[in-house]
Amino acid sequence: KQEVTQIPAALSVPEGENLVLNCSFTDSAIYNLQWFRQDPGKGLTSLLLIQSSQREQTSGRLNASLDKSSGRSTLYIAASQPGDSATYLCAVPFPSNTGKLIFGQGTTLQVKP
Amino acid sequence: DAGVIQSPRHEVTEMGQEVTLRCKPISGHNSLFWYRQTMMRGLELLIYFNNNVPIDDSGMPEDRFSAKMPNASFSTLKIQPSEPRDSAVYFCASSLVMGHEQYFGPGTRLTVT
Repeated sequence: KQEVTQIPAALSVPEGENLVLNCSFTDSAIYNLQWFRQDPGKGLTSLLLIQSSQREQTSGRLNASLDKSSGRSTLYIAASQPGDSATYLCAVPFPSNTGKLIFGQGTTLQVKP
Repeated sequence: DAGVIQSPRHEVTEMGQEVTLRCKPISGHNSLFWYRQTMMRGLELLIYFNNNVPIDDSGMPEDRFSAKMPNASFSTLKIQPSEPRDSAVYFCASSLVMGHEQYFGPGTRLTVT
């Protein structure tokens, strides 16, 4: 069984800070890992998908890393802005060769101006 | 592309009524997923299709739930009869092929009174 955990559940930082969001998974035989953003009352927006063969994936101010052996992924946000305030979710497919995503409970980020 | 389209965006119904949620995936995507999001349980996969064929419906909570995909551009999720505990946000997502990045629709917020 695959379990995905995100800690902390909530995070508040001042604008301009660099920050790291954590995601851990129990079964390291993953196919890929996807990071999403969800704004209140909205759907999920895909931020980054990192393949199992990759160590990092970057998009703008976002950088996702993956360490399969330790069952961890991190999402690094550089120079945070108030517009980054949202809930960030990570998800992995399980079984690994399917599209059945198992989600963490998310980290709710607040960036204060 | 318009992205994944869901309708209605909001649905309020009385217990015992039939509810039908609709989804149009991104054109050319072969995999379609139905998720449910609640505060208590987070995001859960209900069912997914590949090339219009249901692959895994193990997440469908009860026989009251059914889903169809009559063609590559349309899917429905039906609840009959609805109950208050079905109140949640229902998301549809699609991906180019199974195991690839999933793109979510805006969701349908269902309230059963």
